Amino acid sequence: AQSVTQPDIHITVSEGASLELRCNYSYGATPYLFWYVQSPGQGLQLLLKYFSGDTLVQGIKGFEAEFKRSQSSFNLRKPSVHWSDAAEYFCAVVIGAAGNKLTFGGGTRVLVKP
Amino acid sequence: GAVVSQHPSWVICKSGTSVKIECRSLDFQATTMFWYRQFPKQSLMLMATSNEGSKATYEQGVEKDKFLINHASLTLSTLTVTSAHPEDSSFYICSARRSPGQGEQGYTFGSGTRLTVV
Repeated sequence: AQSVTQPDIHITVSEGASLELRCNYSYGATPYLFWYVQSPGQGLQLLLKYFSGDTLVQGIKGFEAEFKRSQSSFNLRKPSVHWSDAAEYFCAVVIGAAGNKLTFGGGTRVLVKP
Repeated sequence: GAVVSQHPSWVICKSGTSVKIECRSLDFQATTMFWYRQFPKQSLMLMATSNEGSKATYEQGVEKDKFLINHASLTLSTLTVTSAHPEDSSFYICSARRSPGQGEQGYTFGSGTRLTVV
């Protein structure tokens, strides 16, 4: 069965420092890949997605992610973190054609130190 | 952009009563909508896939008689928690996927509903 792993449950980073969140998936084919952010008590906001093409994807709020097929990874990065980036981040994948469901990783909670 | 409205944002109900949660796609048609449940500090667990005009597909372990899903139009899906009990208290989130031909495929999420059963 397909699975998505986010190895880091919590990450604490200083404001202005860089951030990298890891995501690995387990599936033979290349899935559609997503990163979402969730603030407390809120729904999910899409940061970026990868379907095909350029493996370096630019998203909103200064985030980017790189798809590495050889490592089955889709890590999220931001060069300089702002206090407002403190939130829960979820990686998700979809396998196959239209209508298929998203499978989420366990999430990574990001704390930003002043 | 794609907007999904979920209502209510929070609800408190007595044990044994039923609660209905609505999920509307405001500016696009959604043949397929998804219902998730999220426990505190945990990830989203898919409960069911809602298809317009047909029966929902439930994930293993989800009681279809307790969590009734109706997707009567291309812009509205509802989740009814029947005979709610305290263990049903949770954060419920819906997601809508654009119908083919409605633009770039993607999943848009509602803002969630906090259900507390007392």
